[in-house]
Amino acid sequence: AQSVAQPEDQVNVAEGNPLTVKCTYSVSGNPYLFWYVQYPNRGLQFLLKYITGDNLVKGSYGFEAEFNKSQTSFHLKKPSALVSDSALYFCAVRPMDSNYQLIWGAGTKLIIKP
Amino acid sequence: NAGVTQTPKFQVLKTGQSMTLQCAQDMNHNSMYWYRQDPGMGLRLIYYSASEGTTDKGEVPNGYNVSRLNKREFSLRLESAAPSQTSVYFCASSEGYGGTDTQYFGPGTRLTVL
Repeated sequence: AQSVAQPEDQVNVAEGNPLTVKCTYSVSGNPYLFWYVQYPNRGLQFLLKYITGDNLVKGSYGFEAEFNKSQTSFHLKKPSALVSDSALYFCAVRPMDSNYQLIWGAGTKLIIKP
Repeated sequence: NAGVTQTPKFQVLKTGQSMTLQCAQDMNHNSMYWYRQDPGMGLRLIYYSASEGTTDKGEVPNGYNVSRLNKREFSLRLESAAPSQTSVYFCASSEGYGGTDTQYFGPGTRLTVL
């Protein structure tokens, strides 16, 4: 079965330190990959996506993600965390054999401590 | 430009009652989606609509009906609510027809079925 895993339920980082939120996937073919963020009591907001081309993708709010085909991963990174980055982060994958349906990870709660 | 709006924000139902969740977007998007979000799980697609009058079942369509009356509006109906339908419901839209498009989310409806 095709799936997306976010292995950490929660990630704690001190403000100013680099952060990484992990995502691995198991889907057929070459997928399209997305990261979304959800702030408390809000809908999800798009951060970035990988469709094709350069494996390093830059997105909103200083976030970036690296597509690693051999490791089937798409980890989200930021060089210097802000307290305002604290939120719930979701990785999503669109398999090549799907026209519109995304497979979503369970989410990772990111907590940035001052 | 309000983006994606949803009503109501909160709702409490008794088992067996019916209700309709409303969603509207003002971005002239073609595709619209209904998702549910449950604790510890990623988003699960209930229904998708590529255009007015067309709908496709997602991962968890049982117990729900949808209606895409026009390009702007996409409603979700629970005919006979069950406690298992307690969840947060999100509507989303995208410009194209799924695929690589960014999805834009509404603020959500928190539904409790007693």
